[in-house]
Amino acid sequence: EAGVAQSPRYKIIEKRQSVAFWCNPISGHATLYWYQQILGQGPKLLIQFQNNGVVDDSQLPKDRFSAERLKGVDSTLKIQPAKLEDSAVYLCASSLDPGHLYGYTFGSGTRLTVV
Amino acid sequence: SQQGEEDPQALSIQEGENATMNCSYKTSINNLQWYRQNSGRGLVHLILIRSNEREKHSGRLRVTLDTSKKSSSLLITASRAADTASYFCATLNTGFQKLVFGTGTRLLVSP
Repeated sequence: EAGVAQSPRYKIIEKRQSVAFWCNPISGHATLYWYQQILGQGPKLLIQFQNNGVVDDSQLPKDRFSAERLKGVDSTLKIQPAKLEDSAVYLCASSLDPGHLYGYTFGSGTRLTVV
Repeated sequence: SQQGEEDPQALSIQEGENATMNCSYKTSINNLQWYRQNSGRGLVHLILIRSNEREKHSGRLRVTLDTSKKSSSLLITASRAADTASYFCATLNTGFQKLVFGTGTRLLVSP
């Protein structure tokens, strides 16, 4: 099966600019996640979708971050305006279920550098 | 917030040796999962162990879970240079449906 696709692979922007990341999950996976991974740390969940509804966005900085999952398939994550501390790898993952029986499949991530 | 703490933070061994990584967590869990991350890449799911299981095997991997101590270990036997990566434990907490990752162990296997 095809994996989780993410784009772009790399992005460099100046602080206060905006940026968007795209994710296409594995076909049939109802659950989609966006994680932020700062260098040297484990991934931190930003938002979780079940189909096109938000299940958990408690750690999403909503003043600058937004995400949507149209038609329960592709998803976009946006940062506006970006701060230096947003420099990280943004990982998208999908799963058949919310992790009770199956692990998550991750994309290769988007490495964001804010200068 | 990070749920799991891996120990050690970094591990360096020779090919053919076994590598053991430990994970401790804080709350009740539904299951615990281990992932591998090669440098600059996404995470790869290795193995999932449910809270009512004590041990699980997959190829050269052996995972144990002790819910009374809130800890797990990942053993990689007969390691290879290709096993060089960061390894993360992740817990699916009881009552929640989100996977929380630990801080990771960086494993270096030298030829």
